[in-house]
Amino acid sequence: SQQGEEDPQALSIQEGENATMNCSYKTSINNLQWYRQNSGRGLVHLILIRSNEREKHSGRLRVTLDTSKKSSSLLITASRAADTASYFCATGFSGGYNKLIFGAGTRLAVHP
Amino acid sequence: GAGVSQSPSNKVTEKGKDVELRCDPISGHTALYWYRQSLGQGLEFLIYFQGNSAPDKSGLPSDRFSAERTGGSVSTLTIQRTQQEDSAVYLCASSLEGAKETQYFGPGTRLLVL
Repeated sequence: SQQGEEDPQALSIQEGENATMNCSYKTSINNLQWYRQNSGRGLVHLILIRSNEREKHSGRLRVTLDTSKKSSSLLITASRAADTASYFCATGFSGGYNKLIFGAGTRLAVHP
Repeated sequence: GAGVSQSPSNKVTEKGKDVELRCDPISGHTALYWYRQSLGQGLEFLIYFQGNSAPDKSGLPSDRFSAERTGGSVSTLTIQRTQQEDSAVYLCASSLEGAKETQYFGPGTRLLVL
């Protein structure tokens, strides 16, 4: 069963606007990751945040993690049409390897 | 360097037939994962290989599904007696021993069972 639930399921914005996507999960985690998927094919790793971190930045991306609320958010600032994709959060667990549990994703459309 | 590759890109088969899907991980990556993604859904973990250890098969949905990893590199996912509900995109990922958290995904194989 899925661990993470992304919200919203779909998001439509104009270029230049910020996009915020949220992810909630159910059990304790070791880390949480965000991936992007274009055209329903391969996923690209965006950013990883560990359970003892609260915020992380990478270029136009900002990820927050609130372990008390079991939630994370991904903010894309100054969005571009090229950011149009599906975004997934995935939770990882300790114990020797990182079997990722994915949510259903948020479909982001950025209009020129 | 080369990323994870998968073949075929697309596969159409008839119900009841067997199919084999192939994954070539990034050279030097010891961990290999298979996931399945149904239309509009997130990824579902299927199986995990790490070096010479016994694979974690906990995600395989039925005994019609099996996977092998030969020589610690190439992996084959086999689905026997395919059913229409097996239709999905099958994604393979690999990662480094020392950085298992970051997984590198292949482009996937889109399987359609008629």
